[in-house]
Amino acid sequence: DIVLTQSPALAVSLGQRATISCRASQSVNISRYNLMHWYQQKPGQQPKLLIYRASNLASGIPARFSGSGSGTDFTLTINPVQADDIATYYCQQSRESPWTFGGGTKLGLK
Amino acid sequence: EVQLVESGGGLVQPGRSLKLSCTASGFTFSSFTMAWVRQAPKKGLEWVATITSGGSNTYYPDSVKGRFTISRDNAKTALYLQMDSLRSEDTATYYCVKESTVATYFDYWGQGVMVTVSS
Repeated sequence: DIVLTQSPALAVSLGQRATISCRASQSVNISRYNLMHWYQQKPGQQPKLLIYRASNLASGIPARFSGSGSGTDFTLTINPVQADDIATYYCQQSRESPWTFGGGTKLGLK
Repeated sequence: EVQLVESGGGLVQPGRSLKLSCTASGFTFSSFTMAWVRQAPKKGLEWVATITSGGSNTYYPDSVKGRFTISRDNAKTALYLQMDSLRSEDTATYYCVKESTVATYFDYWGQGVMVTVSS
């Protein structure tokens, strides 16, 4: 199985940049496609798709969210961080079944 | 607006069975692959099952293979998860999710239904 590793927590100040990383145990690329996706989950709510295929913004997601990366290393950036962005963020790969998620990064305020 | 509404959760004893349902609306249900993803209390996300649009192909991780069965009724726009031989580690919130057309990401999620396996 492809293991996705995320830092458990990150603290940022409002208005600053947050960079959340996800490292895969093997490449999640197929051809030119980077098969890494990002989700946001607020307490008591279901996850919501933010970014698909590493860098594509999902419908209705604000432009302060962006994604980058290739191969085994991927990043979700939030700039600037707003109060509404306090949540847990998960990466997910679809390169190989079973589809796996990272352990999640809980974004908090300094 | 895409809506996915789960039902059927509850408390069940180890070794027993439970069937979850999900009613979908707001999109052409019969055209899309669907899945279930679960989340144990205070834990991360785990993919549980996938079924293709026509229902002919199903996929599971090893953790539930042989115990869980995903199915669908396109006429009723309904998705199901039959869970047999339940274990305490199956305790989780179960989400009904719509898969994207390509690249297997989960673009819409239901609100989830809680399943507790305990004696």
